[in-house]
Amino acid sequence: ETGVTQSPTHLIKTRGQQVTLRCSSQSGHNTVSWYQQALGQGPQFIFQYYREEENGRGNFPPRFSGLQFPNYSSELNVNALELDDSALYLCASSLNLAGGHETQYFGPGTRLLVL
Amino acid sequence: AQSVSQHNHHVILSEAASLELGCNYSYGGTVNLFWYVQYPGQHLQLLLKYFSGDPLVKGIKGFEAEFIKSKFSFNLRKPSVQWSDTAEYFCAVIPGNQGGKLIFGQGTELSVKP
Repeated sequence: ETGVTQSPTHLIKTRGQQVTLRCSSQSGHNTVSWYQQALGQGPQFIFQYYREEENGRGNFPPRFSGLQFPNYSSELNVNALELDDSALYLCASSLNLAGGHETQYFGPGTRLLVL
Repeated sequence: AQSVSQHNHHVILSEAASLELGCNYSYGGTVNLFWYVQYPGQHLQLLLKYFSGDPLVKGIKGFEAEFIKSKFSFNLRKPSVQWSDTAEYFCAVIPGNQGGKLIFGQGTELSVKP
């Protein structure tokens, strides 16, 4: 176990709705990254949060947004859900050190189904 | 665009066979390299990582990987697989200028027959 937790584990929404996914990072970590993993694919980077600021973003539209809180936990929000948003959403926590060499540890994921 | 390519989608081996999973990336600068494993019903776990130094790195459960800079490769190896190695294996890269953005390959599913 990595100490990274995510909630909920499963979620069913309908097209057009909004969803919030939550992640608690491993103790001592200050950075959270979010990934989308479609069936049969590798995870795709959505964005990363470091000290409550967005610290890099992948090729995802603005309806994907996030937050990081002072305790380093994080939320991923998706507005105007589309069928293609159905996927496993992974959160990873890490300790951001000067000079890089960052190792990300993953949570169990939230499986989102959009109908 | 930067990408990671894993050569095999599905590999089937018998127990005690040797394993090599290929991984190539497309980025010319400094990279941090990782192999993650996802056992059935479990979350992604780190197998091993390379940041710098000795290009042959050892990970958990007898796995190792070799970074060959000239070939942009980071192949995963294990001399003798066990049934419990059945899982999906992902190669991932953080390009030197991309902060924490992990770029994953599409994964290789390994099935080990007892």
